[in-house]
Amino acid sequence: DAGVIQSPRHEVTEMGQEVTLRCKPISGHNSLFWYRQTMMRGLELLIYFNNNVPIDDSGMPEDRFSAKMPNASFSTLKIQPSEPRDSAVYFCASSLGLAGDEQFFGPGTRLTVL
Amino acid sequence: GQQLNQSPQSMFIQEGEDVSMNCTSSSIFNTWLWYKQDPGEGPVLLIALYKAGELTSNGRLTAQFGITRKDSFLNISASIPSDVGIYFCAGLGGTSYGKLTFGQGTILTVHP
Repeated sequence: DAGVIQSPRHEVTEMGQEVTLRCKPISGHNSLFWYRQTMMRGLELLIYFNNNVPIDDSGMPEDRFSAKMPNASFSTLKIQPSEPRDSAVYFCASSLGLAGDEQFFGPGTRLTVL
Repeated sequence: GQQLNQSPQSMFIQEGEDVSMNCTSSSIFNTWLWYKQDPGEGPVLLIALYKAGELTSNGRLTAQFGITRKDSFLNISASIPSDVGIYFCAGLGGTSYGKLTFGQGTILTVHP
């Protein structure tokens, strides 16, 4: 079975540009999570969805960040406008549910904002 | 919010040695998870623990869910070079329903 799929794997953009990261969760999983990883802050949860509905977006750094999940097999994380401090690896993860279910991570998108 | 303290931050060991790392929290968790992250990849689940006091093994890995539900440890026996990577503990449940709280990670280096 395919795991969590993320695209692109690498993204280099200039400050001010819009960035869209994409994620396809594992089929049958009902929960989807977006994380950001940096050396300074480690793994941070940005937002998570259950049954396509955003449950908690308290980790989203600011209004420049938005996430959508239009259906059970696709989610996007958008940054507009991007800034150099947004440079990080962004991971998507999915799980069967929320209560005690293991989260499976995608390979990540390495974002560099110049 | 909930925080996990993971130690040690890094370890340099010789191949064949045993390794131990742990996580502690001021909060109670319902599930403890241990992940490993290789360079350029996402974290991969190694072991999941669901009950206080539970001791679980996966090959050379052994992990325990502390009886107080506020701590967990991971042991790796007879380390090999491919054990190199970053190991993360993560707690699920407690006051943050559905949200994983991650430790800071332990960077493991194994010298052949």
